[in-house]
Amino acid sequence: SQQGEEDPQALSIQEGENATMNCSYKTSINNLQWYRQNSGRGLVHLILIRSNEREKHSGRLRVTLDTSKKSSSLLITASRAADTASYFCATMGEYGNKLVFGAGTILRVKS
Amino acid sequence: EAGVVQSPRYKIIEKKQPVAFWCNPISGHNTLYWYLQNLGQGPELLIRYENEEAVDDSQLPKDRFSAERLKGVDSTLKIQPAELGDSAVYLCASSFDGRGGSDEQFFGPGTRLTVL
Repeated sequence: SQQGEEDPQALSIQEGENATMNCSYKTSINNLQWYRQNSGRGLVHLILIRSNEREKHSGRLRVTLDTSKKSSSLLITASRAADTASYFCATMGEYGNKLVFGAGTILRVKS
Repeated sequence: EAGVVQSPRYKIIEKKQPVAFWCNPISGHNTLYWYLQNLGQGPELLIRYENEEAVDDSQLPKDRFSAERLKGVDSTLKIQPAELGDSAVYLCASSFDGRGGSDEQFFGPGTRLTVL
């Protein structure tokens, strides 16, 4: 079963625009991670935010976490065609180390 | 540094046939995972190993699926017999320490299985 639900399911933007993807989950977590998957490089870890953190940055990525709402968002600024991929949020439970993935958001960046 | 290696990359078999997938994790990673990914979905954990021990196999359909990780390095996932519904991508991942030493998982390219 999948815990996270990403929104939107698909997103199409122009190069240079920002892309925002949201993730909601159901149970308490230790951390939340975002992964990217494309045909060229497979599934790649992007960023991890722990339950006691509210915001984290990595390059053009910004992740926020609201544990009271059980939600997270991933912002990609100044998007590039190479950002075209599927993006998944994955939650790590409080007591275990099992990652539970959502269904993903398909991002298409048009050049 | 070499990443997670999986083989084969693609496999087409007829239903009721057996199939096996192989995974070589990143050197030094003690935790190994097998995931199943259906089209349009995120990966779902099948089994997790810490060294040689399967510590979470609750999602593994044990009537037809089996896995082993001899010597705590390479791992093999087997399906016997395969069913049409097993068509999916099978992903292997590894991490340095599944107990929180490193939460990041490194994924292999996957094996795309098609059952006819």
